[in-house]
Order: sequence, then structure tokens, then C-alpha cells
Amino acid sequence: DTAVSQTPKYLVTQMGNDKSIKCEQNLGHDTMYWYKQDSKKFLKIMFSYNNKELIINETVPNRFSPKSPDKAHLNLHINSLELGDSAVYFCASSLPGAYSYNEQFFGPGTRLTVL
Amino acid sequence: DQQVKQNSPSLSVQEGRISILNCDYTNSMFDYFLWYKKYPAEGPTFLISISSIKDKNEDGRFTVFLNKSAKHLSLHIVPSQPGDSAVYFCAASEGTYKYIFGTGTRLKVLA
Repeated sequence: DTAVSQTPKYLVTQMGNDKSIKCEQNLGHDTMYWYKQDSKKFLKIMFSYNNKELIINETVPNRFSPKSPDKAHLNLHINSLELGDSAVYFCASSLPGAYSYNEQFFGPGTRLTVL
Repeated sequence: DQQVKQNSPSLSVQEGRISILNCDYTNSMFDYFLWYKKYPAEGPTFLISISSIKDKNEDGRFTVFLNKSAKHLSLHIVPSQPGDSAVYFCAASEGTYKYIFGTGTRLKVLA
């Protein structure tokens, strides 16, 4: 059973398009995250939701919009894709900080290539 | 502004020997540190963590050391095995939800 799953695994698209990446976790966690790993291998947090509420919103262009329909899902929608958006996007989940040492469980990643 | 740095992009170690991976940080407010291991085409997986109130945490072949005064932590793997070959990320947090990751060190364990 996959704990944190992402779809699609690969996404190739043209500049200017709008695309979505989906994430689901079956761990019963309350907190979910989106990270971006760029070509320099930096793994940077973009967003975090706790119980469907946005709690972290890093300096990310507003073309990126996360949506959490329930606490098991956190989707990432990207409008007007740009070349610089090409990266690997990782979803992760964890228990809330009060209950754990905040170990995060990561999905396998979605490699986005913008042409 | 890179608050967590892993200055060695790669490391090669002979099987059975000790692997030492290093991580430096600049933010003295960080109070929790983790190490993750990543294989190609997979997401990072949690390996070991340490709270700032400790200076050492051990789990089997893996030991993490924290030197707060030097703002330095290290991961020791002994004995190293070929299956340990992966990219290792350190991460640090000053709160409950936000983690700052280093750029990773690629470990290659030679058989």
C-alpha cells in the first residue's frame, strides 16, 4: 500500500498551459506539504496545509494554487506554466507537531518539464 | 540565503568502513534536525532525527551527532553497505511544520 501517492509521475507540457498534480495520503495524517526540487537539487517547501487549512505559504508565484478538498488530499494547480517551473515536485505528509517528531513521509515525486 | 548547507556534494566509501556525512546550519533557532535518504526516482525517506536538547542519537548502524556551538551535525553510518548508496539530505526546523533542507550529499558505497 502506497502511503503518499502522486499523479502523474511525469508531466511534459508547453509554456502557458495550466496543469494539476494530485497527491493523496492514506496515513491518517493531518498535515500535508508541497516541495519543489529544482535543477540545483534544492528541496524547498512551497505550501503546507493542516486539516485543510493553509499554514505555510512560502514566496511562491500566485500562479501556483494548492487545494485541499479533505485532509487526505492536497492538489497543486499551476497556471500559465513557465520554463522555470520545470522541477520535481514532492508531496509529503506528517502528523501535527504536537504529536510527533514531525517525520515527513514523501511521495515519489512528479517530474514537470515545461517546453 | 542557504540556512542549511551540505558542502560535500558526493562521498565514496569502501564497504564495511564508516561513512560520515556533514551538515552545517546558520539559524541558532533551529531546534530539530532530521536526516533523509533518497534513492533515484523516489521521494526522500526518513532516516533518523535529533532534538537540540541532545547531542547524539543512535539507531542501529546510524548515529547522528549535534554540535550546537558549532552549528554542525553529522550522520555516521557504520558499517557502510552497498545498499546505503543514495543521496542524503539533512533538514532543520524551528517550528512544527517548516523544514529547511540541505542540497544533499551523494554517498556511494563501493563493494
